[in-house]
Amino acid sequence: DAKTTQPPSMDCAEGRAANLPCNHSTISGNEYVYWYRQIHSQGPQYIIHGLKNNETNEMASLIITEDRKSSTLILPHATLRDTAVYYCIVRVISGGSYIPTFGRGTSLIVHP
Amino acid sequence: GAGVSQSPSNKVTEKGKDVELRCDPISGHTALYWYRQSLGQGLEFLIYFQGNSAPDKSGLPSDRFSAERTGGSVSTLTIQRTQQEDSAVYLCASSLGLASPYNEQFFGPGTRLTVL
Repeated sequence: DAKTTQPPSMDCAEGRAANLPCNHSTISGNEYVYWYRQIHSQGPQYIIHGLKNNETNEMASLIITEDRKSSTLILPHATLRDTAVYYCIVRVISGGSYIPTFGRGTSLIVHP
Repeated sequence: GAGVSQSPSNKVTEKGKDVELRCDPISGHTALYWYRQSLGQGLEFLIYFQGNSAPDKSGLPSDRFSAERTGGSVSTLTIQRTQQEDSAVYLCASSLGLASPYNEQFFGPGTRLTVL
């Protein structure tokens, strides 16, 4: 079972900020939130991850609520190439190790 | 440097035949993962390796599926007596390790398996 809930689809105008929400209400204290995206016919690509502080890199920003029960991935200036399925995942433990478990993600369509 | 590679990129087989899918992880990555993605679905976790060992095989869909990894590098996913429901994209990923929660995965391009 995926431990996250995301809207199945969203759309965004090119050049605008895309804000993708994710709920992870059962997250435990030592679990990180990861975001990946998958462009059609390619393998998933890592975007960003965080624990409790907001994070930013060259691709995106990650805002995590204070109670850590939800987060938002922000693409500040979406381009057509950002059209993809975005996965928010929380690593679950299997055999004492952390295994990323993917849900269905959010299909983001960036339109002109 | 080279990323994760998988072969073949596409495989069409007849129902009942065996297939082998290969994954070459990034050099130095000790952890290796196999996922399956059916059309329009999310990624289904199958199995992972830490070095050559696979501590948890519970994600494999049936006993027709097996995987091995030798020399801590290349991994092979074998599907015996393939069925039409095995048709999917099989994705491999690797990471530096497993014990840490902040080791990002690097995915290969996948093998698209079609069982006729």
